[in-house]
Amino acid sequence: AQSVTQLDSHVSVSEGTPVLLRCNYSSSYSPSLFWYVQHPNKGLQLLLKYTSAATLVKGINGFEAEFKKSETSFHLTKPSAHMSDAAEYFCVVSDGGSYIPTFGRGTSLIVHP
Amino acid sequence: NAGVTQTPKFRILKIGQSMTLQCAQDMNHNYMYWYRQDPGMGLKLIYYSVGAGITDKGEVPNGYNVSRSTTEDFPLRLELAAPSQTSVYFCASSYSQTNEKLFFGSGTQLSVL
Repeated sequence: AQSVTQLDSHVSVSEGTPVLLRCNYSSSYSPSLFWYVQHPNKGLQLLLKYTSAATLVKGINGFEAEFKKSETSFHLTKPSAHMSDAAEYFCVVSDGGSYIPTFGRGTSLIVHP
Repeated sequence: NAGVTQTPKFRILKIGQSMTLQCAQDMNHNYMYWYRQDPGMGLKLIYYSVGAGITDKGEVPNGYNVSRSTTEDFPLRLELAAPSQTSVYFCASSYSQTNEKLFFGSGTQLSVL
């Protein structure tokens, strides 16, 4: 069975400082991992995905994530936060066992001026 | 280029009423999903479909029904609305499972009073 745990329900940063959103996963197969972003009252948009190619994945808007199999982690980072990054972020896992995307509970990113 | 279209955007139901949430995609995707989003709980899968005529239950199917008569349409039916079904509902589609991104509709905010 697959599962995903987002370790923080809220993360608060100041504009211009680094962002770290943590995600751990569990999977019996080689997983595909995704990060989605949801701005207030909007649908979800793909930030980036990992599908067994390079372990460091670059996404849109300066975000990137590193797949670490030994730690079963897929943390999302950005060197410098912008006010427009304030949103809900979801880590998602999908593997060859169920093929159904499973969502984490989400992390709300708050960016202070 | 419409993508995934959901209607309505908002709806208020009385307990016991029925309604259908509409979802249509124009990308010729085989895989379609219905999720509900509750605060702090991420997205929970209600039903999914891997092609016309094929549907299956997700994590939280009770109180809902679906059909998939065409590739394009995947309506979600609430037969006897209950307050526990107050939520935001998202329809999504993908070209294939596992390593393909999900395309989301803009959501339906449903309140059952």
